[in-house]
Amino acid sequence: QVHLAQSGPEVQKPGASVTLSCKTSGYTFPNYYIHWVRQAPGQGLEWMGIINSGSGGTHSAQKFQGRLTMTRDTSTSTVFMELSRLTSEDTAVYYCARVAGTSITTHLRHWGQGTLVTVSS
Amino acid sequence: NFMLTQPHSVSEPPGKTVTISCTRSSGNIASNYVQWYQQRPGSAPTIVIYEDNERPSGVPDRFSGSIDRSSNSASLTISGLLTEDEADYYCQSYDSSSWVFGGGTKLTVL
Repeated sequence: QVHLAQSGPEVQKPGASVTLSCKTSGYTFPNYYIHWVRQAPGQGLEWMGIINSGSGGTHSAQKFQGRLTMTRDTSTSTVFMELSRLTSEDTAVYYCARVAGTSITTHLRHWGQGTLVTVSS
Repeated sequence: NFMLTQPHSVSEPPGKTVTISCTRSSGNIASNYVQWYQQRPGSAPTIVIYEDNERPSGVPDRFSGSIDRSSNSASLTISGLLTEDEADYYCQSYDSSSWVFGGGTKLTVL
């Protein structure tokens, strides 16, 4: 079955960068887009960006453009998200999520367990 | 870009029916599908309605979705409420290469 396993919790200082991973299994990796969504403590879901697992093409929400980098490794079926110039407002749980079908606009069907990133001096 | 506005919270007793609204600020609600996600505390979201009114396998038919062009909004209706339905619910849609989530609605069943 489809499974997305995310990397462990991170603690970073303001100004630093963090790289999270999302290792997928149970399906043909290049055929499906993956989103990154975050959730600050006690807050709602916030869409960050999307990566085409086949081509590697990405698109980020305007808010994160310039400091969000998404990549993938097809040999290990893993996607990565790097967020730079961290501030305390980046403290959140970060989720990767795979779309349901091969269309870019299909819903987010399969979610990772989430990774807590804490930004603190 | 557009926003999706949801009520902050709703509350109903077990067995009743609740409807959660999701109003699109600009653009036509019918131009792109609306999804609904359920999130229980400490867990990742799960899909309960996709493409406005479709239920994934495993989601009970107590859950239904609809859109209303006149109010430019979508709705999630849960009938025969169970205590296990208590959770946060988020609507989500898409336009011009942007995926947007509503602010979420906390459903209390008591």
